Amino acid sequence: GAGVSQSPRYKVAKRGQDVALRCDPISGHVSLFWYQQALGQGPEFLTYFQNEAQLDKSGLPSDRFFAERPEGSVSTLKIQRTQQEDSAVYLCASSYLAGGAGEQYFGPGTRLTVT
Amino acid sequence: LAKTTQPISMDSYEGQEVNITCSHNNIATNDYITWYQQFPSQGPRFIIQGYKTKVTNEVASLFIPADRKSSTLSLPRVSLSDTAVYYCLVFGSSNTGKLIFGQGTTLQVKP
Repeated sequence: GAGVSQSPRYKVAKRGQDVALRCDPISGHVSLFWYQQALGQGPEFLTYFQNEAQLDKSGLPSDRFFAERPEGSVSTLKIQRTQQEDSAVYLCASSYLAGGAGEQYFGPGTRLTVT
Repeated sequence: LAKTTQPISMDSYEGQEVNITCSHNNIATNDYITWYQQFPSQGPRFIIQGYKTKVTNEVASLFIPADRKSSTLSLPRVSLSDTAVYYCLVFGSSNTGKLIFGQGTTLQVKP
């Protein structure tokens, strides 16, 4: 079956531009997570949705970062006024259980480069 | 949240068994130990999860001693395609769903 898909796979933005990153989770998965992975580092948690409810946004680095999942399936991570330190791979993961229970299915990520 | 410590890198040769040990001294009673694998340009992939003693699946084995302060991921007869970063995580109800990754162990398998 289809896994988690993300688009675009690569995005180049000029500093100050807004970007929107899309995640299509596995159908029927209740939980959806966003992570940010800098080069050479492990992924870092950004935010968590259970269906359409955003239950945890403690990892969002600033108010320039905004995520939504309006119908409990597809999610969008938006970054406003991008800065160079936002350059990273943004990973989306989903799980069929509420809270993830440790096993999450990751997409391939979107590599964002801010110039 | 329990912090994990694992070697930054390891080298091995094809056909060998590889054991990666992770320490998690302040693991809580209801925490599980989880391992993920990540190839370049891909998202992490769940390998195995356990609570105590030994867990085995088609990919790996996970050994957890009685005190649960450490765990060992065992990969039997590695091949070049096992070259990847391996992350040890501790997961429990206090995580509220999020996974907390460290730097992981970069395993390089040589021919």
